[in-house]
Amino acid sequence: NAGVTQTPKFRVLKTGQSMTLLCAQDMNHEYMYWYRQDPGMGLRLIHYSVGEGTTAKGEVPDGYNVSRLKKQNFLLGLESAAPSQTSVYFCASSLLRGETQYFGPGTRLLVL
Amino acid sequence: AQKITQTQPGMFVQEKEAVTLDCTYDTSDPSYGLFWYKQPSSGEMIFLIYQGSYDQQNATEGRYSLNFQKARKSANLVISASQLGDSAMYFCAMRLTGGFKTIFGAGTRLFVKA
Repeated sequence: NAGVTQTPKFRVLKTGQSMTLLCAQDMNHEYMYWYRQDPGMGLRLIHYSVGEGTTAKGEVPDGYNVSRLKKQNFLLGLESAAPSQTSVYFCASSLLRGETQYFGPGTRLLVL
Repeated sequence: AQKITQTQPGMFVQEKEAVTLDCTYDTSDPSYGLFWYKQPSSGEMIFLIYQGSYDQQNATEGRYSLNFQKARKSANLVISASQLGDSAMYFCAMRLTGGFKTIFGAGTRLFVKA
């Protein structure tokens, strides 16, 4: 049982490049989330999904898009990366709304 | 608006001693959950313990216990018998019951000394 996995673990982008972060969970969880973690600020919610085919904006959605085509996968896209998007990105999932969220190992992104 | 405050940026504790990590929260909603997560140097976020706002007893999970004082809006994490492997960043978090958004504090870095 892998839990929540994230791909890639680390990536370097140049300003203006695009990329997609993949999150996968094998716990049959309905809810999935993308957070970013910046020094001294804890985690902030970017987007979330309440089920296959649905997505919604979180606290800091600008510059990101998401898709949930399959229940087990939640993709985070950066269409035109900016240095301000340098961060560590965490995916999480939970069985039900309000339940404990389980996190993936994180993706460290550096935008030059 | 909801807010989590962790006032201790760093804490030191001697191995085998107990340590308390402070967390205060702010919400006007009566129904919420409080969480603690551990983030070791490897970077992953590990769920430790949960306390619901209507729970009558303090939550415990092995060496972790949550000292929940609702009137003071505090949810301190107590780690008993500290181990070297407890050295990590610890985050307090809150979510309204039925809500999607989890609010995290800035974290407390714990150093366990041998």
